[in-house]
Amino acid sequence: QKEVEQDPGPLSVPEGAIVSLNCTYSNSAFQYFMWYRQYSRKGPELLMYTYSSGNKEDGRFTAQVDKSSKYISLFIRDSQPSDSATYLCAMAGPNFGNEKLTFGTGTRLTIIP
Amino acid sequence: EAQVTQNPRYLITVTGKKLTVTCSQNMNHEYMSWYRQDPGLGLRQIYYSMNVEVTDKGDVPEGYKVSRKEKRNFPLILESPSPNQTSLYFCASSFISQNSPLHFGNGTRLTVT
Repeated sequence: QKEVEQDPGPLSVPEGAIVSLNCTYSNSAFQYFMWYRQYSRKGPELLMYTYSSGNKEDGRFTAQVDKSSKYISLFIRDSQPSDSATYLCAMAGPNFGNEKLTFGTGTRLTIIP
Repeated sequence: EAQVTQNPRYLITVTGKKLTVTCSQNMNHEYMSWYRQDPGLGLRQIYYSMNVEVTDKGDVPEGYKVSRKEKRNFPLILESPSPNQTSLYFCASSFISQNSPLHFGNGTRLTVT
């Protein structure tokens, strides 16, 4: 079993819809949770960063962490065609930073105009 | 402009022919890392470096070498490439702090025949 599981999709939704992307994990030591967005032919870029449990909102994006269920989510409101990309979750334990980051396999999202 | 620059973007080579993929960052980051990205497997760390002359193995180091002689550069060396090293490679860098975002290059697509 992988430490981090992420549905690869692809996921296609109409413009304006609410999108929910999810990851589950098995390592209860994970404390830092991130979402990276990767456009085609580009490197990933950090979208959201959350420490421990709770929600974090940034514009149309909300990151949610439920440590009791070992489940994290990224919600995109009012989705736009420019949101079409692959979304990768990533996580790390309390004593480590980027050197011990574990990535999900990514979910490919397409927003249909 | 702050960036991580990888070269070349595309490389086709034959089994056994030594090659180097260069990576350079202009953000004075201490931490640098190499990943490979494969379908269904996501991003896997090859090697990382916490500072000059300090390197360590990631999850999939076999068949690769790195060096960190200068802070800005972190080349990836394949001494004897094999077809199973055909992949998309990313270099990344960041400051050493737990909420420091990883900055990725735009990738090098390597094909080994």
